[in-house]
Amino acid sequence: SQQGEEDPQALSIQEGENATMNCSYKTSINNLQWYRQNSGRGLVHLILIRSNEREKHSGRLRVTLDTSKKSSSLLITASRAADTASYFCAAGETSYGKLTFGQGTILTVHP
Amino acid sequence: GAVVSQHPSWVICKSGTSVKIECRSLDFQATTMFWYRQFPKQSLMLMATSNEGSKATYEQGVEKDKFLINHASLTLSTLTVTSAHPEDSSFYICSPPRGGQVNTEAFFGQGTRLTVV
Repeated sequence: SQQGEEDPQALSIQEGENATMNCSYKTSINNLQWYRQNSGRGLVHLILIRSNEREKHSGRLRVTLDTSKKSSSLLITASRAADTASYFCAAGETSYGKLTFGQGTILTVHP
Repeated sequence: GAVVSQHPSWVICKSGTSVKIECRSLDFQATTMFWYRQFPKQSLMLMATSNEGSKATYEQGVEKDKFLINHASLTLSTLTVTSAHPEDSSFYICSPPRGGQVNTEAFFGQGTRLTVV
């Protein structure tokens, strides 16, 4: 399956700053999900936005979805050193449960 | 608690040997299992989809004779990497779809880090 694009590929910021990651996808979707992965370990689900939603919030996370542009963004506000990880978007396609992952953004938050 | 159990979490094997990875759904029956692979510093890509009672379907470029998938029951799917080589070193992770629940987060196993030496 073709993967989507994410940018930036790497992002380095200071604690307290905001981090924005962008994702584009290629297929029709039911939803767009964001995951975090620490050092090649398992995936941690962050947030899911449905195809009929435009914006969603969860704690310090804000996700937007533009289905006309096939793009999404993840904003992490007031970042912490513990947010250092790789972040992946994943497009939930019409066949439920199957995900197409973006290339990922490596976020480094400096104390 | 975890609803998907994947074992082993890591394994080191010699070239030419085979490695079996198990994925169990703990709280629900899974007629399908997605298997993803993640090479170092890369993203996750779907390798194959196992189906209980029928043959697995493989993504383009994935060798079905090398990556044997068996969906033995509604709670167990296995991936066997046969005649492993160093280029098979990767992170393998399973994910059962949640039947009837389209817009919900996906479940994932803990993942298996395979290193072939």
